[in-house]
Amino acid sequence: GAVVSQHPSWVICKSGTSVKIECRSLDFQATTMFWYRQFPKQSLMLMATSNEGSKATYEQGVEKDKFLINHASLTLSTLTVTSAHPEDSSFYICSARAGGTGGHNEQFFGPGTRLTVL
Amino acid sequence: AQSVAQPEDQVNVAEGNPLTVKCTYSVSGNPYLFWYVQYPNRGLQFLLKYITGDNLVKGSYGFEAEFNKSQTSFHLKKPSALVSDSALYFCAVRGRRNFSGGYNKLIFGAGTRLAVHP
Repeated sequence: GAVVSQHPSWVICKSGTSVKIECRSLDFQATTMFWYRQFPKQSLMLMATSNEGSKATYEQGVEKDKFLINHASLTLSTLTVTSAHPEDSSFYICSARAGGTGGHNEQFFGPGTRLTVL
Repeated sequence: AQSVAQPEDQVNVAEGNPLTVKCTYSVSGNPYLFWYVQYPNRGLQFLLKYITGDNLVKGSYGFEAEFNKSQTSFHLKKPSALVSDSALYFCAVRGRRNFSGGYNKLIFGAGTRLAVHP
């Protein structure tokens, strides 16, 4: 199946710093990428959807200035957590979907990035 | 509002016994239905999906799921559980189209933890 990678797999940072997480589709072109946040023992919460070359669409309640998303190419999307605070500590998962008009296309998920803000 | 319900937080099964992880949904129209599995500190792996046709869908690792339109259910099943099947399972649905013509969001259930005991 299609492979999605994330880097880094884990990161620890000081409060107030910014952290960038990369998401790559390794063997397919992802016209749409998604960023999710997962709290312990909870389901995935969609943060934003991005299409290559256009601005991301953020879900209600997600601060676009805090969680900067860039989808510069068909194989790379980045999530930057700006001025991170301890409450931003979480497991962040990206997902990618190939093109086509069929909504049945499954999404492929990255392995996740665990962010810990001290 | 669209929603997905996984009524069991945890399912315990003895190795070799059949397993069922329940999922019901509330989505207008005829949605696409998915099952994903998540191992600790990993992203989600696609198991199977229902688009149309035969109500019994076969997927990866010997899993299958049965779509029941009248009960709006999509229960995950496996005839003989393995200890290695122990993981977190997510049911997800996506509507076939939205009013803007774009892709609908993938809506996840809360997840069910499957524990298979030797």
